[in-house]
Amino acid sequence: EVQLVESGGGLVKPGGSLRLSCTTSGFTLSDAWMSWVRQAPGKGLEWVGRIKGKSDGGKTDYAEPVRGRFSISRDDSRNTLHLQMNSLKTEDTAVYYCSREDYCGGDCLNAFDSWGQGTMVTVSS
Amino acid sequence: QSALTQSASVSGSPGQSITISCTGTNGDLGSHNLVSWYQQHPGKAPKLMISEVNKRPSGVSNRFSGSKSGNTASLTISGLQAEDEADYHCSSYTVSGTLVVFGRGTKVTVL
Repeated sequence: EVQLVESGGGLVKPGGSLRLSCTTSGFTLSDAWMSWVRQAPGKGLEWVGRIKGKSDGGKTDYAEPVRGRFSISRDDSRNTLHLQMNSLKTEDTAVYYCSREDYCGGDCLNAFDSWGQGTMVTVSS
Repeated sequence: QSALTQSASVSGSPGQSITISCTGTNGDLGSHNLVSWYQQHPGKAPKLMISEVNKRPSGVSNRFSGSKSGNTASLTISGLQAEDEADYHCSSYTVSGTLVVFGRGTKVTVL
């Protein structure tokens, strides 16, 4: 059974940093294409970024609002995905979900077939 | 990147069928079949219901079906049940740098 468990959320001041983790089980993380998706309170879903599988070069892609501030990495030995968030803004306040992508190939993005329970990040002074 | 357009809410009585629409552009769902639908109950994580326009993952009820025509994708729920009351989000791959765009969600109410 695929399981994704996020951790690391909390309250941080604008301009601060936070590192989220997603512990995975039930599949081989190094082969998986993984994304982070967020949801601001009362709002819709917003894709944050992704990391491709190791055999596909492990390339990362980011949404424009977070590009240059957020980075995604993977520790395959610990089956853990990370989201490093720097220069945080109030508009980054959201529940952050770790998700696994259906394999697409190339630079496309297919569906998110498994999701964690999410971790709340609040950016406020 | 603009969000896909979904109606804010749809309602139906138990046993009825309802359809939720999701409208995009030629730059997203109008140009390929990488369109997905997610169900989200309050306070819970989204759950994949439909991928690639009309593919149902294992374990998803066959009461859920998807289709697409031009720049509009649709999710139909037949034989509506109380447990179907939730928010439904559509998404599409997009050729822009954002890679994927979501709708703002449609709240389904079972009367």
